[in-house]
Formats: sequence, structure tokens, C-alpha cells
Amino acid sequence: GAVVSQHPSWVICKSGTSVKIECRSLDFQATTMFWYRQFPKQSLMLMATSNEGSKATYEQGVEKDKFLINHASLTLSTLTVTSAHPEDSSFYICSAREGRAGSLPDTQYFGPGTRLTVL
Amino acid sequence: RKEVEQDPGPFNVPEGATVAFNCTYSNSASQSFFWYRQDCRKEPKLLMSVYSSGNEDGRFTAQLNRASQYISLLIRDSKLSDSATYLCVEAFSGTYKYIFGTGTRLKVLA
Repeated sequence: GAVVSQHPSWVICKSGTSVKIECRSLDFQATTMFWYRQFPKQSLMLMATSNEGSKATYEQGVEKDKFLINHASLTLSTLTVTSAHPEDSSFYICSAREGRAGSLPDTQYFGPGTRLTVL
Repeated sequence: RKEVEQDPGPFNVPEGATVAFNCTYSNSASQSFFWYRQDCRKEPKLLMSVYSSGNEDGRFTAQLNRASQYISLLIRDSKLSDSATYLCVEAFSGTYKYIFGTGTRLKVLA
């Protein structure tokens, strides 16, 4: 159980285009999803916290107008990188918090990640 | 000071060796910690949780030292398949946010 999927797994796009990444919890309802970014040889950096039906909470330094997050249902959150530039090239990973009775508190399950390359 | 600090390594150890990593945190009120392992170009996978004094799962033992504000991970009888980056995580109650350490890279050598 507790499987999280991401789509696409990798994407290459031209500078200036927008890219949408989907994150789905496949076998549980996720009231909270998180979006991270990881540059080579660095750790995961939290970009934003996404709660179903409400606006995302962005971390300091993350532009909310550039990284649009939508959490329309308990199983789906999307991250749209608008007007992508080469410096946005990174590994984007989502996670979902299960929160069911009996599960470990605060456990996050991670999607397989999306590797974005902006040319 | 970074919130979660780890020695980046790499730790190169022979098969069968015992290796230990430490991770320091700055928020004395934190109660939830995790160890994740991350293979190259893959997502992190949960290895162990650390809620109280410690946790043991087979060859892996995690301990929490609140007085000195660090978490440790001990791996006994290292296998080649243990080669990965080990990420320490501090979890915040309420917001459920994770703060990741920079990771410690382990290479188990044949």
C-alpha cells in the first residue's frame, strides 16, 4: 500500500514553455501533498505544501506564480512550471501524507520523481 | 546553522563492515525523525522512523539522542546493496513538513 505515482517521469522542453507534472496517491487519500526539488548532488528542498481544496503554502524563495500548484482532489496534485528556463532543470519529487488511522504519524510516501530538462 | 546536518561522505566500507552515520538537528522540540535511503536518480524510500529512544530493524539500528540533538543510523554486516545515499529527516508536527539533511553517501566495496 501507500503508492504514489508521478507523470511524466522525464520531460525535455524548450525554454519559455510550461510543463505540468502530476502526482497521484494510488491506494490512499492524501489530504496533504508536498513538492520538492533536488539539484544534482544536493538534498531535497521543499518547495510547497499542498492541501486538498485550498491554496498551496510556498516555502521562502519559491515563486508561487512560476510554480503553480493545484490540489483538486484527495488523490491528485499538479505542479506546473510556467515559462520554464534552463535553471529550472531539476528532479521534481512529490510526496503524500497518508494520515490514516494506524499509520505512522507524519510518514510521507514519495513519488518516483520527474526529471525536467529545459533546453 | 543548517537545521539538519549530515557528513556527506562518501563512506567507503568493505562488505561485512559495520558503519554508523550521525545527523544533528537544531530544533529541540522536534519529536519525529526518519532515515530514508535514496539510490542514484531515484526517489527516497523510507528506511526507519525514530520517535523515541531508538528503533531496530534487522541489520539497521537508529537511535535518538535528545540531549545532544542527534540521530544515528548503524548498519551491521554491510551488503553491496546498501550502497546509497542515506537521508536524515526532521519532521515537524502540525505542518507535517520534512526537513532533509544533505545526505550521507555510502559505498560498500566487494
